[in-house]
Amino acid sequence: EDQVTQSPEALRLQEGESSSLNCSYTVSGLRGLFWYRQDPGKGPEFLFTLYSAGEEKEKERLKATLTKKESFLHITAPKPEDSATYLCAVQAGAGGTSYGKLTFGQGTILTVHP
Amino acid sequence: NAGVTQTPKFRVLKTGQSMTLLCAQDMNHEYMYWYRQDPGMGLRLIHYSVGEGTTAKGEVPDGYNVSRLKKQNFLLGLESAAPSQTSVYFCASSYSMSRRNTEAFFGQGTRLTVV
Repeated sequence: EDQVTQSPEALRLQEGESSSLNCSYTVSGLRGLFWYRQDPGKGPEFLFTLYSAGEEKEKERLKATLTKKESFLHITAPKPEDSATYLCAVQAGAGGTSYGKLTFGQGTILTVHP
Repeated sequence: NAGVTQTPKFRVLKTGQSMTLLCAQDMNHEYMYWYRQDPGMGLRLIHYSVGEGTTAKGEVPDGYNVSRLKKQNFLLGLESAAPSQTSVYFCASSYSMSRRNTEAFFGQGTRLTVV
């Protein structure tokens, strides 16, 4: 059974204080690991896809990295508008049998204070 | 280009009532999904479809039915609502696994309360 665990559950930062969110996973044949951002009352918004260990992707103040067991979302010099819940999900089935289904972690609630 | 649109956005049902949630996507995606999100549980897959006329069960399918009569629409039905179905429901769509980019795009959600 595929499993995703995110930590911490909640993180409070001061504006400009860099930190990282963790996503640990077990999956049979990883096809992709996805990061989403979710604002209150909204649907998840796609951020990144990582396909193989060692891969990194960046977008503004966010940088996602991937190893064989976990992924990190690094937030550099965060601003209050970065406050949101960050969701990690895995897509299994390197053989194409997963039909795109995602297994999600519970999310990390990030609050950035000015 | 609206992406994924869900209707309604909010609904209150009495126990035993039925309702249908509608999802429409305009990205020509092959795959469509229904997830529910509950506090402390994360997003869980209810049902999914890999093409027009096809549906399959996800992780938590009991009490729900789905239909995909047209490629762009995916309907989620509750035949006899129960308080345990109080949740936020999200529809999502993606390209098929034959493509490189298979990220799912989500709708804005439907907040359902069953009393």
